[in-house]
Amino acid sequence: GAVVSQHPSRVICKSGTSVKIECRSLDFQATTMFWYRQFPKQSLMLMATSNEGSKATYEQGVEKDKFLINHASLTLSTLTVTSAHPEDSSFYICSAQRFTSTDTQYFGPGTRLTVL
Amino acid sequence: GENVEQHPSTLSVQEGDSAVIKCTYSDSASNYFPWYKQELGKGPQLIIDIRSNVGEKKDQRIAVTLNKTAKHFSLHITETQPEDSAVYFCAASIWSRGNEKLTFGTGTRLTIIP
Repeated sequence: GAVVSQHPSRVICKSGTSVKIECRSLDFQATTMFWYRQFPKQSLMLMATSNEGSKATYEQGVEKDKFLINHASLTLSTLTVTSAHPEDSSFYICSAQRFTSTDTQYFGPGTRLTVL
Repeated sequence: GENVEQHPSTLSVQEGDSAVIKCTYSDSASNYFPWYKQELGKGPQLIIDIRSNVGEKKDQRIAVTLNKTAKHFSLHITETQPEDSAVYFCAASIWSRGNEKLTFGTGTRLTIIP
């Protein structure tokens, strides 16, 4: 149990375009989902936290207008990178949590974004 | 905010020997400490976790110890196998703005030498 999927696994886009990444909890309802960013050989950095039906909470330094997060249902959250630039190229990983207080975060397989 | 330090950054161990990775955290309010294994190009996979009301937890070849007073916790892998080779991350969890937020360590690249 507690499987999280992401789609797509890899995406290459041109500079200036927008890219949407989906995160789904397959066998449980996720009250909270998280989005992380990971640069090569570095650790995971939290970008934002989203609760179903609420606006996402962004970490300091993360542009909310550039990284649009929607958590419209208990099994789906989306991250849209708007007007992507080469410096946005990274590994984006989501995680999902069943309960906000005591549950583990279960991570998706990640999405490799390359902006040309 | 919370700060998590992890050592060593790289670790090579002969197959069959034990591996130990150590982490320290700064915020005494942290109460949940998971360990994740990440293989190349994949998302982190939870391998073991411990809560602040427990000092030690074991799951087959993997164990985690927690010293709340010293604010450090360690991952122990015994009888290492080649498939244990990966990057391991520790994390500490704390409540922030109504949600439980994980702060990750910098990672340890573990290589098991056959």
